Amino acid sequence: DGGITQSPKYLFRKEGQNVTLSCEQNLNHDAMYWYRQDPGQGLRLIYYSQIVNDFQKGDIAEGYSVSREKKESFPLTVTSAQKNPTAFYLCASSTRTGAGANVLTFGAGSRLTVL
Amino acid sequence: AQSVAQPEDQVNVAEGNPLTVKCTYSVSGNPYLFWYVQYPNRGLQFLLKYITGDNLVKGSYGFEAEFNKSQTSFHLKKPSALVSDSALYFCAVRDMRVDTNAGKSTFGDGTTLTVKP
Repeated sequence: DGGITQSPKYLFRKEGQNVTLSCEQNLNHDAMYWYRQDPGQGLRLIYYSQIVNDFQKGDIAEGYSVSREKKESFPLTVTSAQKNPTAFYLCASSTRTGAGANVLTFGAGSRLTVL
Repeated sequence: AQSVAQPEDQVNVAEGNPLTVKCTYSVSGNPYLFWYVQYPNRGLQFLLKYITGDNLVKGSYGFEAEFNKSQTSFHLKKPSALVSDSALYFCAVRDMRVDTNAGKSTFGDGTTLTVKP
């Protein structure tokens, strides 16, 4: 089945550590996105990528970094510079053509807790 | 800039009654509008979208939404609610112009729907 796989599902981090969240898709989608979800605040866009080897900052990029070396993969690194990293992180992808154009397909999410 | 407002944090309905979850939007060009549903500790699932054409859009699980351009609204509706519809619902908008926002969707803060037996 096609879809988006995020790992790990749960992650605990000590303050000052960097962590990387994995996102892999086999939908052949060009665009990929990272959102952060906090209770009562909806989804906020961290980074997005329309094509391989290119990505742009979203609304809350400070303290995060990404790479897009392959079409299928869009890992997110939460750095020690992120002041409040405890949150639920969602990866999504989309295509620009066909019946599913512009619809976001989401992974199951990764919950990061800073101890 | 584009934005979405979901004015109700919580909507409570009895099973079998009709439900409405409200959404209003703001976008410079013409909008693409979406509804997504999220169950606890899961990612979002697509319910329906408005791109162009008929203002009444039908989607998954018996949900529908009506696009109202004059009121800039896209309310989600279902004629008869089920307990299993209880979840967090998100409205999203993006500008139809391809070169604007590079395909970014902006989400509302979400509305928690609770359907009681």
